[in-house]
Amino acid sequence: SQTIHQWPATLVQPVGSPLSLECTVEGTSNPNLYWYRQAAGRGLQLLFYSVGIGQISSEVPQNLSASRPQDRQFILSSKKLLLSDSGFYLCACRRKVPNTEAFFGQGTRLTVV
Amino acid sequence: DAKTTQPPSMDCAEGRAANLPCNHSTISGNEYVYWYRQIHSQGPQYIIHGLKNNETNEMASLIITEDRKSSTLILPHATLRDTAVYYCIVINTSYGKLTFGQGTILTVHP
Repeated sequence: SQTIHQWPATLVQPVGSPLSLECTVEGTSNPNLYWYRQAAGRGLQLLFYSVGIGQISSEVPQNLSASRPQDRQFILSSKKLLLSDSGFYLCACRRKVPNTEAFFGQGTRLTVV
Repeated sequence: DAKTTQPPSMDCAEGRAANLPCNHSTISGNEYVYWYRQIHSQGPQYIIHGLKNNETNEMASLIITEDRKSSTLILPHATLRDTAVYYCIVINTSYGKLTFGQGTILTVHP
């Protein structure tokens, strides 16, 4: 089965600083990859998804960007963090076959101060 | 992807069955119904999925109506550890996009 590695688990960053969150996947190749954000007490908001290397679809215009430099690597970035970027960030992976579930990483808790 | 509607919260007594409803009235023929749950500050965990037949696994049962416009997740003997947010989503396997709604907060009490 697939394993998703996300790090760090928690992060405190000052406003205006850059951000780079990395997600790597094991156990599958050519998956669909996803970045979600979850504000306190809210549901999962899809930020970006990727169906292949270099292919990024953005769901919400915002201060963040995503890149997929390798098949099993998905990176979430920001040049200058805002207070509103605080939240719980989750990476997910799903194989491109029908009838299969998505797997999630354990998330990164980002606090912008 | 078809949108889903779930009640924002539900309560259940420990040891009783928890029945969580989901409405997906715009579901299309090639879309699957998936259920996940999320315990506080963890990544969502897959529970079960189905297309049109009822499904059962070691965690839960999934009942899908004949017209496929709604479904019910059944936790047959809820425990305190089942307290979580439960998400019902519909996935079109032809596309990459995977979106979640607000889910149902299930609270299991002693």
